[in-house]
Amino acid sequence: GAGVSQSPRYKVTKRGQDVALRCDPISGHVSLYWYRQALGQGPEFLTYFNYEAQQDKSGLPNDRFSAERPEGSISTLTIQRTEQRDSAMYRCASSKGTNNQPQHFGDGTRLSIL
Amino acid sequence: GEDVEQSLFLSVREGDSSVINCTYTDSSSTYLYWYKQEPGAGLQLLTYIFSNMDMKQDQRLTVLLNKKDKHLSLRIADTQTGDSAIYFCAESTPGNTPLVFGKGTRLSVIA
Repeated sequence: GAGVSQSPRYKVTKRGQDVALRCDPISGHVSLYWYRQALGQGPEFLTYFNYEAQQDKSGLPNDRFSAERPEGSISTLTIQRTEQRDSAMYRCASSKGTNNQPQHFGDGTRLSIL
Repeated sequence: GEDVEQSLFLSVREGDSSVINCTYTDSSSTYLYWYKQEPGAGLQLLTYIFSNMDMKQDQRLTVLLNKKDKHLSLRIADTQTGDSAIYFCAESTPGNTPLVFGKGTRLSVIA
């Protein structure tokens, strides 16, 4: 597709379950970013990749969160043993990866932990 | 650390100009961005400005940057009801680094 695609759009799960959120970046975009956005806040950085290499994961809240991008295209953000405080909008963005090219965002995944 | 501040709310009448303000703290910021978020939608890139510029105009949008004061503004001319949304200011440092966002300004346009 033409834009960044995220799936699922909505995810409701019980506390303690694992969830996997998927991001399909714009074709040819080198850099891929994950952000989390709580209600009434701006997006906050989680982690990002250049190609398949994870460049920075300092924004991941704890070791229940992990991300991968094994072939340098689609990325998966996994949250293990979910807790209610993990409920948020998870946003993915991609960019061409050169000279501060702007980041383009998908529609996000709304995650609700019951 | 990096910090981006915005006022939370702005209300204007249809046809008037809107000015949304943003301040940032990181003096090494290279690019500054404005994104628009409508209900149920993703973040839409509106415009961005490089830190060596002081103004950029794109149709109804004018971005002003005062690098000395670390102040950024977005002016929307002839504001329409379709401009009602949350507007986020964001900054980045050299390289393809993650963006640092403000909390967003909710613009309400009164018909």
